[in-house]
Amino acid sequence: AQSVSQHNHHVILSEAASLELGCNYSYGGTVNLFWYVQYPGQHLQLLLKYFSGDPLVKGIKGFEAEFIKSKFSFNLRKPSVQWSDTAEYFCAVNAPNDYKLSFGAGTTVTVRA
Amino acid sequence: EAGVAQSPRYKIIEKRQSVAFWCNPISGHATLYWYQQILGQGPKLLIQFQNNGVVDDSQLPKDRFSAERLKGVDSTLKIQPAKLEDSAVYLCASSASAPSSYNEQFFGPGTRLTVL
Repeated sequence: AQSVSQHNHHVILSEAASLELGCNYSYGGTVNLFWYVQYPGQHLQLLLKYFSGDPLVKGIKGFEAEFIKSKFSFNLRKPSVQWSDTAEYFCAVNAPNDYKLSFGAGTTVTVRA
Repeated sequence: EAGVAQSPRYKIIEKRQSVAFWCNPISGHATLYWYQQILGQGPKLLIQFQNNGVVDDSQLPKDRFSAERLKGVDSTLKIQPAKLEDSAVYLCASSASAPSSYNEQFFGPGTRLTVL
């Protein structure tokens, strides 16, 4: 079974600062990787996903993530955050032959205006 | 397009009581998931249906939890009797077709359960 660890529990930053959230997974085989976001009072929604191909994936709202296979990592980045990026971010993984998603514990991001 | 609907949004019960949660997936979605999200943790899959059949319930505590999806549309998750450690947000999600690791799952707003 896969496991996912997210390095930061809570990140606080100012508008226009750059954001990087760490995600590492433990699984020896091929994986699919996802970042989900939950804005205050809203439901979980998909931010971006990686199945194969270019390891640099671009998602919605200016987010991107880079898959580094040798480091078992899938870190999320945004060059310049806005107040509206305040949310909880979850990294998730599954294997191509296993639809079950394994989620990390999440990182709460607070952006100060 | 309407999203995944869940009710109630909040529920407070005492331990040993029973509780039921309802989920209506996105119209036409064949696969339905129930997750448990304990405070400070990510969602954990409890059970997965394809149409009205159970695909995976390996992580469902069957001594107290049960779920059904009659007619392959709405689903109900029940806890009987509830324990303190069942306090969590219960999320329902659905995806368009047969279970696949590539299918995007669409989540509902969740039901926050507090067991006193």
